[in-house]
Amino acid sequence: GESVGLHLPTLSVQEGDNSIINCAYSNSASDYFIWYKQESGKGPQFIIDIRSNMDKRQGQRVTVLLNKTVKHLSLQIAATQPGDSAVYFCAENLGQGNLIFGKGTKLSVKP
Amino acid sequence: NAGVTQTPKFQVLKTGQSMTLQCAQDMNHNSMYWYRQDPGMGLRLIYYSASEGTTDKGEVPNGYNVSRLNKREFSLRLESAAPSQTSVYFCASSAEGVAGYTFGSGTRLTVV
Repeated sequence: GESVGLHLPTLSVQEGDNSIINCAYSNSASDYFIWYKQESGKGPQFIIDIRSNMDKRQGQRVTVLLNKTVKHLSLQIAATQPGDSAVYFCAENLGQGNLIFGKGTKLSVKP
Repeated sequence: NAGVTQTPKFQVLKTGQSMTLQCAQDMNHNSMYWYRQDPGMGLRLIYYSASEGTTDKGEVPNGYNVSRLNKREFSLRLESAAPSQTSVYFCASSAEGVAGYTFGSGTRLTVV
């Protein structure tokens, strides 16, 4: 889930297990929701997005679920690998340059 | 195809010094952005440029200026650096109609 304060919440999973990273958003006017992956020392990397009129979208090994009723977004990673270890951010795209990021969740994959 | 290129990668400034962070993209994107990333704060928008010749303030513009030099380049200037501006700065760009942004690898700035 989203962090409060200076420390990121951490999700620790075993290699091969599925991971679920959650995010709560606040703005009902968002057009798109996006998940980014950020590895140490690098910029955020786009993973997958979902339009506000959808509730599920699948990519390669990733699935994003959107529940507009409770303003909740989740990212599911199947068969998590060590290379998936990173900080994951959800973001709301409100249009006109307004991309609002959450504070991030650190995923740690144990071999 | 380099994507979004930022220079420098690291910089240490003394309080009161000025500097310009450079950003260039080779994807022919119309929109470009500057974000700062602080521990526990996620990424916050400083300024953005929807197209060549236009710039707009984001969430945290104070202490910064920007220039959209041409379609490729968008620079961020600190006129008088302060310790509160110690952060990692990311430039990003996006194409029209595309929700996701492409980010550079960042500039780690320390103001002492």
